[in-house]
Amino acid sequence: AQKITQTQPGMFVQEKEAVTLDCTYDTSDPSYGLFWYKQPSSGEMIFLIYQGSYDQQNATEGRYSLNFQKARKSANLVISASQLGDSAMYFCAMREDNAGNMLTFGGGTRLMVKP
Amino acid sequence: SAVISQKPSRDICQRGTSLTIQCQVDSQVTMMFWYRQQPGQSLTLIATANQGSEATYESGFVIDKFPISRPNLTFSTLTVSNMSPEDSSIYLCSVDQGAMDEQFFGPGTRLTVL
Repeated sequence: AQKITQTQPGMFVQEKEAVTLDCTYDTSDPSYGLFWYKQPSSGEMIFLIYQGSYDQQNATEGRYSLNFQKARKSANLVISASQLGDSAMYFCAMREDNAGNMLTFGGGTRLMVKP
Repeated sequence: SAVISQKPSRDICQRGTSLTIQCQVDSQVTMMFWYRQQPGQSLTLIATANQGSEATYESGFVIDKFPISRPNLTFSTLTVSNMSPEDSSIYLCSVDQGAMDEQFFGPGTRLTVL
């Protein structure tokens, strides 16, 4: 079974609107972390936000917030006030603390921001 | 956050040759990781490299094809051996850093094999 699932291969959003990118995960490890990365066409992986499995509050970093629903095993990324520069691939990833510090990635979502 | 550099940033190689990719970090880190991203795909872990020990390879990756060195806590190399067009990918190194064990990535090496 896939450990990280991103069901939206591509999404459009109007500039200045908010958008939610979906991510569900599967683990039996009680201690884990969830990450979101942005990958522009240059290929670099830009760290956006992190959520630990024991964190009580949803993580926020500027225009990025993570809607963490532990019981549903989902960790959706919310981008507020979209900008043209937000157009990129977005990857959700998980680190299971009992499986070393490696990351397992989802298939990614390509976000396109329309002017 | 750690500053990570990779060399080369891109290369075009002939099949049957080998390429060594370097990853340099501006601070000492325990664990370094090498990932591969094939065209249009997500990232897949190749191996974990700890200083002073053999790299640990993931299923589907072998040392003869992807030898890794980790001579110190700030540097690692990945060699792609006997290349074929299927090895055309972006190769990224990453390190654990930060209060929450965030993983940061280098800028990647874009490899094309003809």
